Amino acid sequence: KAGVTQTPRYLIKTRGQQVTLSCSPISGHRSVSWYQQTPGQGLQFLFEYFSETQRNKGNFPGRFSGRQFSNSRSEMNVSTLELGDSALYLCASSLGSFPNQPQHFGDGTRLSIL
Amino acid sequence: DAKTTQPPSMDCAEGRAANLPCNHSTISGNEYVYWYRQIHSQGPQYIIHGLKNNETNEMASLIITEDRKSSTLILPHATLRDTAVYYCIVRVLSGQGTALIFGKGTTLSVSS
Repeated sequence: KAGVTQTPRYLIKTRGQQVTLSCSPISGHRSVSWYQQTPGQGLQFLFEYFSETQRNKGNFPGRFSGRQFSNSRSEMNVSTLELGDSALYLCASSLGSFPNQPQHFGDGTRLSIL
Repeated sequence: DAKTTQPPSMDCAEGRAANLPCNHSTISGNEYVYWYRQIHSQGPQYIIHGLKNNETNEMASLIITEDRKSSTLILPHATLRDTAVYYCIVRVLSGQGTALIFGKGTTLSVSS
């Protein structure tokens, strides 16, 4: 069974640009969550989508947005990039949006802002 | 803010059991305890989770105290490939969904 797939693996952008990251969940999984990992702040929750609806959102500015498609694939967009947005962005999927169903992570997209 | 406290680092000899403690004294009755590990440059790997009963799977055992204020992850026979950062996480309910609130984790070093 294929795991969570994130594309691209690496990305370099400059300040002010915008970026879109993609996540394909495990087949049959309907919940997708996004996390940001930086050396200073560690792993932080961005948002969660289930059946194309955002169910939960972390404490990030509105420049960070996402969406989920009918096939459960998800995209995350960051606009007006800042140097501090350099991070590893991780996507995780689970069968449903319930606390007893484990989330499984992809290997992330490493975003570097110049 | 993270709801768990873990020692920053631990060492273990290869072949011995690794016992990783976690304190979650403010856990609510409907919040699960999850354990993940992360090897450098990879995404976190799910290990095990539980609510109040002890759990065991092919990777590890999870022992939760009766008052649910702490737990221990046990890797019965540690190998060099178990060297990683281990996160004890409380899965919180928020809005209509859930979120994993990560702390700083424990860096486990397994040596031969």
